[in-house]
Parts: sequence; structure tokens; C-alpha cells
Amino acid sequence: KNEVEQSPQNLTAQEGEFITINCSYSVGISALHWLQQHPGGGIVSLFMLSSGKKKHGRLIATINIQEKHSSLHITASHPRDSAVYICAALLDKLIFGTGTRLQVFP
Amino acid sequence: DTAVSQTPKYLVTQMGNDKSIKCEQNLGHDTMYWYKQDSKKFLKIMFSYNNKELIINETVPNRFSPKSPDKAHLNLHINSLELGDSAVYFCASSQDGTGGQETQYFGPGTRLLVL
Repeated sequence: KNEVEQSPQNLTAQEGEFITINCSYSVGISALHWLQQHPGGGIVSLFMLSSGKKKHGRLIATINIQEKHSSLHITASHPRDSAVYICAALLDKLIFGTGTRLQVFP
Repeated sequence: DTAVSQTPKYLVTQMGNDKSIKCEQNLGHDTMYWYKQDSKKFLKIMFSYNNKELIINETVPNRFSPKSPDKAHLNLHINSLELGDSAVYFCASSQDGTGGQETQYFGPGTRLLVL
């Protein structure tokens, strides 16, 4: 069992919908990253957070250290948000989740 | 300007060959990483270097040898390539030396196919 679990594995949405992707981890961590992997394969770091909430444009990331859980929200989703979203928990190194494949249709 | 660059982008080779993948970052970062993404798209760290010194060396075969001639470069040399080495290899860099407390910047990936 992976130490970092994501749900759902696959997600489809209509343009404009509110999206939530969840990440749970089984051990204590010092930070958590959210990454976006484009259909072409490139990886971009979206957030790094160790507590609370961060917002960037239509993206919001939250983390609850006690519950060992983080969420990534996308408001007013758009087809260009279609990508794989990966969370990664920092222990002594980054441990990656299995990714959530999001497809947003017009 | 490309922040983290990798060459080559694609690499197709025969089993048993030796190959290298190069990575360069122009961000002035102290730490560089190599990650492997398998066919199921699962990412896993292989190595981490801070200012040319090895910090993390995960359980990878010793056929894989990273080399850091200076802190802007971290190359990956692979000896005696095997079918299971086929994957996408990502280089990344970050400012910090603690392996994850700051944003990491990823290269475009090198798609290795071993035949």
C-alpha cells in the first residue's frame, strides 16, 4: 500500500464545475506538494504547503495535518485544466501519490 | 529561457548499451534530483544532490550512476540497459538542501525506450 493515496483516480467534469481532488497520507510529514502533469508530459509545481490553505488563481490547496489529508480545488474548471494532478508528501524525501487524471469537457 | 533542461528528449536504445542523460538548471539552485516515472505514471525519486554532494540515493541498481560536475548540472549515466529501465526520467531542482521544503522545478523529461 502506497503511503500517499489519491482519490479519485479519474475524474471527468463539465466546464465550469468545481473540482476537488483528495490526498491522504499515512505518516507524519513536514510538507506536501501538489503537481500538475500536462498531457504532453511536462510537470509543474502548483503548491507547497505545510499548514492551512494556499490560493493561486482558480486553484486552492488545503491541508489538515492532524487528519493527514490535503485537498486541491479548482473553481470554474476549464478544458485547459485537463491534466494529471499529483500530490507528494515530504518525509525524508518526496513520496508521490498515484495521480488523479482530470478531464474537463466544454 | 529554459529553467531546467534535459537532453535528449527521446532515447531509444538496445539492451546492454550504456547511455547518459544530461540535466542543466540555470536557476542558481543548490539541489538537483532525478526521478523515474514508470509506465503507470508513478513517480519515484532516484537521487538527490546538494551542491554536488549526494544526499539521497534510493534503492536503484548500481548500473545507475549520477554525476554532478558542478551544482548546475546533474547527469545520469546508465550501464547495461535493461528492458525494465524503459521509463520517463525527470530532472528537477530546488533552492533548498532539505529535499522538499521548497518548490521544485522540473525538466521536460527524457523518454527512454530499451528494446
